Amino acid sequence: GAGVSQSPSNKVTEKGKDVELRCDPISGHTALYWYRQSLGQGLEFLIYFQGNSAPDKSGLPSDRFSAERTGGSVSTLTIQRTQQEDSAVYLCASSLGAYSNQPQHFGDGTRLSIL
Amino acid sequence: GDSVTQMEGPVTLSEEAFLTINCTYTATGYPSLFWYVQYPGEGLQLLLKATKADDKGSNKGFEATYRKETTSFHLEKGSVQVSDSAVYFCALSDQNSGYALNFGKGTSLLVTP
Repeated sequence: GAGVSQSPSNKVTEKGKDVELRCDPISGHTALYWYRQSLGQGLEFLIYFQGNSAPDKSGLPSDRFSAERTGGSVSTLTIQRTQQEDSAVYLCASSLGAYSNQPQHFGDGTRLSIL
Repeated sequence: GDSVTQMEGPVTLSEEAFLTINCTYTATGYPSLFWYVQYPGEGLQLLLKATKADDKGSNKGFEATYRKETTSFHLEKGSVQVSDSAVYFCALSDQNSGYALNFGKGTSLLVTP
C-alpha cells in the first residue's frame, strides 16, 4: 500500500518568503510526526499530532514555525519569513497511534533550501 | 531531558568484519529503544527495536540488547556486507512525549569489499 507521502520533494526559496510543506500519512494512522534533519543539528523532533490535536509544540524552533492537521489526515508545516538556518530536510512520519508505541513510518522528506 | 549519545563516525570496515556501534541513553522514564537506518538516497527505515529491559531486537543479522543497568543499546552484526553501508541512528521514545523519537547524531558506516 501507499507509504507516507511528502510534497514537494525539493523546495528552493528566497530568504524572507513563506513556505508550506505537506505530509500525507498512511491511511488509518492517527499519529503524525514532523522532524528536521540538518548537518549541524542531526535529526530533531518538531511536533506531533494525535488526530488533529498537537499536545506539545515545544519542539518548534521559533514562532515562525506552525503546523496543522485537518480531518485526521494531511498535515502542513508552515515556515514564515524563512531564514537560511531553516535549510534542512523536513521529515514526516506516521504511526497507528501516539499512545500505543507503534513503529513510525517515514516519508522521503522535503529538502528545503533557503537562498 | 531525555537524550541519546552514539559513537561518532565514520566507521570503515572490510566486508565480513564484526560491527559494533555504541549507543547510550539518558531517560527519566522507561523508554523504548530503536535503531533506524538510512541507506544512501533513501528514507529512514526502522531496523530493530526493544521496548523493555533485557529485550533483544534483531533484524537482517543486526542485534541490539536493551541494557538498563548500563543504559545502553549497542548495535552489533557478526559479518557486515557492502550493502550495509548506511547511516545508523539510535533513538528512544516514551509515552510522555507521544512516542516522538529522540535521535542520536547518527553513525556513518562504510563497508569496503
